[in-house]
Amino acid sequence: DAMVIQNPRYQVTQFGKPVTLSCSQTLNHNVMYWYQQKSSQAPKLLFHYYDKDFNNEADTPDNFQSRRPNTSFCFLDIRSPGLGDAAMYLCATSRDGRRRAYFGPGTRLTVT
Amino acid sequence: EDKVVQSPLSLVVHEGDTVTLNCSYEVTNFRSLLWYKQEKKAPTFLFMLTSSGIEKKSGRLSSILDKKELFSILNITATQTGDSAVYLCAVEIQGAQKLVFGQGTRLTINP
Repeated sequence: DAMVIQNPRYQVTQFGKPVTLSCSQTLNHNVMYWYQQKSSQAPKLLFHYYDKDFNNEADTPDNFQSRRPNTSFCFLDIRSPGLGDAAMYLCATSRDGRRRAYFGPGTRLTVT
Repeated sequence: EDKVVQSPLSLVVHEGDTVTLNCSYEVTNFRSLLWYKQEKKAPTFLFMLTSSGIEKKSGRLSSILDKKELFSILNITATQTGDSAVYLCAVEIQGAQKLVFGQGTRLTINP
């Protein structure tokens, strides 16, 4: 049973061309996270939603935005992707920010 | 700044060996420590530790937390090639609803 779903699994975009990654969940969790994971590095938190409240990490570039139209869906928008934005993007959810986070399978973004 | 450090960063052993992975942390407001296994996809949950000295066990894997010395270890006994993965340690920050990850330990089990 899929719980956290990410689409697409692989995304290729051109330098500077906006791209949107999507995440949906069937867990009814109120917290949703976006992590960026570059090769051989730890996942780095970009931002998270606690219910409708958006929480941006201090070092997340302005190029990255997010939308959460309802409990189940969350989007990551990269306005002008650079070569350095190529990474795996992981969506995760949790109940009230406590307990463990459930991760989606990730979207691997390539920027050409 | 909240920090989670794992060691070693990389480990290569033979099938059947026992390994110990380390995770130390310095955070403002500790809530729990979690271990994840990551193969070529998203991390999968292994353990969550909140109390010192209580060992969590699942098959050949076990983990323990020391809140006084601010570290945790993950043990894997009788390793198998399927244990090859990156093992991530993460600390949950109280009140911040987020996890801070370590760099991971890349474990390779050779037959």
